[in-house]
Amino acid sequence: EAGVAQSPRYKIIEKRQSVAFWCNPISGHATLYWYQQILGQGPKLLIQFQNNGVVDDSQLPKDRFSAERLKGVDSTLKIQPAKLEDSAVYLCASSRTNTEAFFGQGTRLTVV
Amino acid sequence: GQQLNQSPQSMFIQEGEDVSMNCTSSSIFNTWLWYKQDPGEGPVLLIALYKAGELTSNGRLTAQFGITRKDSFLNISASIPSDVGIYFCAGPFYGGSQGNLIFGKGTKLSVKP
Repeated sequence: EAGVAQSPRYKIIEKRQSVAFWCNPISGHATLYWYQQILGQGPKLLIQFQNNGVVDDSQLPKDRFSAERLKGVDSTLKIQPAKLEDSAVYLCASSRTNTEAFFGQGTRLTVV
Repeated sequence: GQQLNQSPQSMFIQEGEDVSMNCTSSSIFNTWLWYKQDPGEGPVLLIALYKAGELTSNGRLTAQFGITRKDSFLNISASIPSDVGIYFCAGPFYGGSQGNLIFGKGTKLSVKP
């Protein structure tokens, strides 16, 4: 079974630029999560989808972050405009049961 | 928001030693998950626990679901260099109608050969 795929692996942008990350979950997994992991901390949930609907985006900074999951499969997370404090690893995970989540390798974003 | 507290924050041990770490919460959890994260990689699920008092093993790893449902423990026996990494506990927190999978801050394990 293929794992969660994320791209790109690394991205360096200047502040105020925009960036997008892509995630393809494990086939058949209805729940998809985006996490932000700042260096030295645990993953922090940004948004959770159930199929193509949002079930929790309470910690998503909606003035600059947006995410969508068209057709309930792939998902994109966008930041516009980026700030220095957005430098982090962005992790995508998926789950069949809303309990055991399986993670991709993440996208390391550096904002300079 | 809800937090999971992990201790210790970091450990430096000799190869061959046993390791214990724990995770506590002020709220009850129905599921506890333990993950390991290597540098530059996403977290990898090690063990999942679903019932209070449950003890589950995965090779040299053993995890327990605390009786109070507010804590969990992870033990690693006879540590080896590849055990190095950050170990996270996680669980679905049902603050709203859906479970949001939240993570502790991690225990960083270093193993001296």
